[in-house]
Amino acid sequence: EDQVTQSPEALRLQEGESSSLNCSYTVSGLRGLFWYRQDPGKGPEFLFTLYSAGEEKEKERLKATLTKKESFLHITAPKPEDSATYLCAVTTNAGKSTFGDGTTLTVKP
Amino acid sequence: DAGVIQSPRHEVTEMGQEVTLRCKPISGHNSLFWYRQTMMRGLELLIYFNNNVPIDDSGMPEDRFSAKMPNASFSTLKIQPSEPRDSAVYFCASSKRGYNTGELFFGEGSRLTVL
Repeated sequence: EDQVTQSPEALRLQEGESSSLNCSYTVSGLRGLFWYRQDPGKGPEFLFTLYSAGEEKEKERLKATLTKKESFLHITAPKPEDSATYLCAVTTNAGKSTFGDGTTLTVKP
Repeated sequence: DAGVIQSPRHEVTEMGQEVTLRCKPISGHNSLFWYRQTMMRGLELLIYFNNNVPIDDSGMPEDRFSAKMPNASFSTLKIQPSEPRDSAVYFCASSKRGYNTGELFFGEGSRLTVL
């Protein structure tokens, strides 16, 4: 059975305090790993796609990396507007998508 | 460009009533997905369509749930009869390609409360 586990469940940071979110996965035939951001009362917003181990993607203060077993979302010098729930999802070659439960990030000014 | 449009945004109904949720995907997107989100179970895929054809409905909880996509610009998710355990936020998402790439564009969701 495909599994996606995100940690920590919640993370509180001071503005400017860099950190990383983890997404570990066990799937049969990974097609891609995806990061989404979800704000309260909104739908998830697509951030990144990673396809192979060693791949990295960056967007503003966010950088996503991928290994054969896990992905990290690094947040550099976060700002309060980065506060949100970050979701990781994997899609298999069979076309199945599985989402993790998310990490809720709070950045205090 | 308009994103994925869902209606209603909020629905409160009584147990046993029929509920219909609606979705208009992004123009030109070939795939459409219905997800359900709850605190207990997170985001769960209910069904997805490619080119208006249902491809995988293994996530549909039971026969009370049905989904249709009569054309490329409209889909419905129906629950009949509704039960309190169906209370959740239902998201519709669409994707550019004719298969599940994982790069999904979500609507703002329909929050359903069944009393």
